[in-house]
Amino acid sequence: NAGVTQTPKFRILKIGQSMTLQCTQDMNHNYMYWYRQDPGMGLKLIYYSVGAGITDKGEVPNGYNVSRSTTEDFPLRLELAAPSQTSVYFCASSSPTRTHSYEQYFGPGTRLTVT
Amino acid sequence: RKEVEQDPGPFNVPEGATVAFNCTYSNSASQSFFWYRQDCRKEPKLLMSVYSSGNEDGRFTAQLNRASQYISLLIRDSKLSDSATYLCVVNKINATGRRALTFGSGTRLQVQP
Repeated sequence: NAGVTQTPKFRILKIGQSMTLQCTQDMNHNYMYWYRQDPGMGLKLIYYSVGAGITDKGEVPNGYNVSRSTTEDFPLRLELAAPSQTSVYFCASSSPTRTHSYEQYFGPGTRLTVT
Repeated sequence: RKEVEQDPGPFNVPEGATVAFNCTYSNSASQSFFWYRQDCRKEPKLLMSVYSSGNEDGRFTAQLNRASQYISLLIRDSKLSDSATYLCVVNKINATGRRALTFGSGTRLQVQP
């Protein structure tokens, strides 16, 4: 299993540009998440999905959009990039365990700079 | 008040030392608890879950105190490879009725030779 994969690894955007961060998992997990991590800070949840066709806002959804057309893929769309969106973006997935602990598996991250 | 609070450190300890981190959480309805490890410029990875009765995995011991709403991680016989940031993570039911993880900002550990 490749686990959770993300592309691209790095990207520099100009203010106002848009882009899609890709995330794919091959573990057949029904839950998927997008987080951002600013330097020296914890992870903030942007959006999450509990299954194909279902998405919910997290803590910091403004400026982002998501879709979940398949179990495997959960792309994150940035429209009109702003410097405040400079961050490291992590995608994660999980599946309920017998203890319902929802442990999460993370991708390697996308480092985005908006200038 | 932050939902999950940790001392950012850094904790600088010599090899072989025992070091302990604490974490406090504000939501008494929190249901599951974890410690994740994050190496510099890498993704977080699950270190261990924290069970009500406390649990141990090799040199690592995790404990939960629901009454005081804190979680602890004890690392014995520290190795250079233990140098990382340790994230305290709490699982709760959010406003939409879904489970969500809340991450602390992390405690940085630097083990020195």
